[in-house]
Amino acid sequence: NAGVMQNPRHLVRRRGQEARLRCSPMKGHSHVYWYRQLPEEGLKFMVYLQKENIIDESGMPKERFSAEFPKEGPSILRIQQVVRGDSAAYFCASSLQAGVLNEQFFGPGTRLTVL
Amino acid sequence: AQTVTQSQPEMSVQEAETVTLSCTYDTSESDYYLFWYKQPPSRQMILVIRQEAYKQQNATENRFSVNFQKAAKSFSLKISDSQLGDAAMYFCAYRSRESNFGNEKLTFGTGTRLTIIP
Repeated sequence: NAGVMQNPRHLVRRRGQEARLRCSPMKGHSHVYWYRQLPEEGLKFMVYLQKENIIDESGMPKERFSAEFPKEGPSILRIQQVVRGDSAAYFCASSLQAGVLNEQFFGPGTRLTVL
Repeated sequence: AQTVTQSQPEMSVQEAETVTLSCTYDTSESDYYLFWYKQPPSRQMILVIRQEAYKQQNATENRFSVNFQKAAKSFSLKISDSQLGDAAMYFCAYRSRESNFGNEKLTFGTGTRLTIIP
């Protein structure tokens, strides 16, 4: 049973370009979470999605960032017009269900570098 | 809003010895979960141990155990018989237990870097 998969593992963008980060949850998991880890810091929650729905986006910047989890295919975190401050590791996690003690399984992360 | 504080940026321990990592948190909720995650150099986040706040008994997983003091809002991790493979960043995390879809997120501390001395 494959774990949470993220691609690409490393992404380099120039200022002003778009970054698209993909996350495939574990098989059978319909809950996806995105976290951002700035250098030397802990992970910060960004957004929580279920299939086709955004449940909680309280941690996501209002501008330039968007996330989706379509009925088919991976979850996508999209960053438009990237700036140097967006350089970070972006982690995706998935869980089987919500509302109970339910482990979030993490992917290996995507390291975004903005030149 | 909940906050998690790890006041030890770095710790080191001799191989085979015991080390304790500190974590405190702030919340107005009475029911929640607490976790310790390990992040080795590969950066993969690995769940080490978890504690449900309504359980008084401290959680234990092999060489890893916690000291959960609910009144003091303290949740320390003890690693016994430290091994070289334990070297990593360790993050304490909090999650609400209230059955509200808005409370699924994990709130992390800033981490403690643990070095194992051979």
